[in-house]
Amino acid sequence: QVQLQESGPGLVKPSETLSLTCTVSGYSISSGYYWGWIRQPPGKGLEWIGSIYHSGSTYYNPSLKSRVTISVDTSKNQFSLKLSSVTAADTAVYYCARDTKFSLDPRGFDPWGQGTLVTVSS
Amino acid sequence: VIWMTQSPSLLSASTGDRVTISCRMSQGISSYLAWYQQKPGKAPELLIYAASTLQSGVPSRFSGSGSGTDFTLTISCLQSEDFATYYCQQYYSFPFTFGPGTKVDIK
Repeated sequence: QVQLQESGPGLVKPSETLSLTCTVSGYSISSGYYWGWIRQPPGKGLEWIGSIYHSGSTYYNPSLKSRVTISVDTSKNQFSLKLSSVTAADTAVYYCARDTKFSLDPRGFDPWGQGTLVTVSS
Repeated sequence: VIWMTQSPSLLSASTGDRVTISCRMSQGISSYLAWYQQKPGKAPELLIYAASTLQSGVPSRFSGSGSGTDFTLTISCLQSEDFATYYCQQYYSFPFTFGPGTKVDIK
């Protein structure tokens, strides 16, 4: 059973960089699939941030591309998100999920991590 | 960017009701559409993919239909555990986008 778990600081200061890590268990990232980040501001809808393959190939949402970096560490079975120059508008629950877009059976994002709330405030 | 609308945004219903949620795209996406259920404080869970394929473990009272630009999620007999917010998502082209959500609450 594939499981994902987000980790990282819950509070980030404005203008600084938000950093989160997703640890995958029950499946080796190197075996395939893309792996993605999605966020949800409190009380609002879902926004896809970007996704990465184990080779390091990435694709990002153009609305965030200038501030986002997603990386992968196959030795730890983890992938990470960095979002620079954050403002209060980046306050959200951040989810990691398996991205099945380029699989033999594309089905969106499945499964998801439980999510972690990141608040941007001084 | 493919824009998505969902209707209604809020649906008040009773246990046992048949409910239908609509999702419309700004351009055609074939059948590259997923539906998710989200309960308060929880991550979204995949219900349906490829517009009409039920994810393993999802009750058969959930069904999806449509292709191109217009899609529908139907719950045939609403159960207490189905009161939640439902999102559609297109994975046809980048950037992936989600609908604004439909909250199903108790009448």
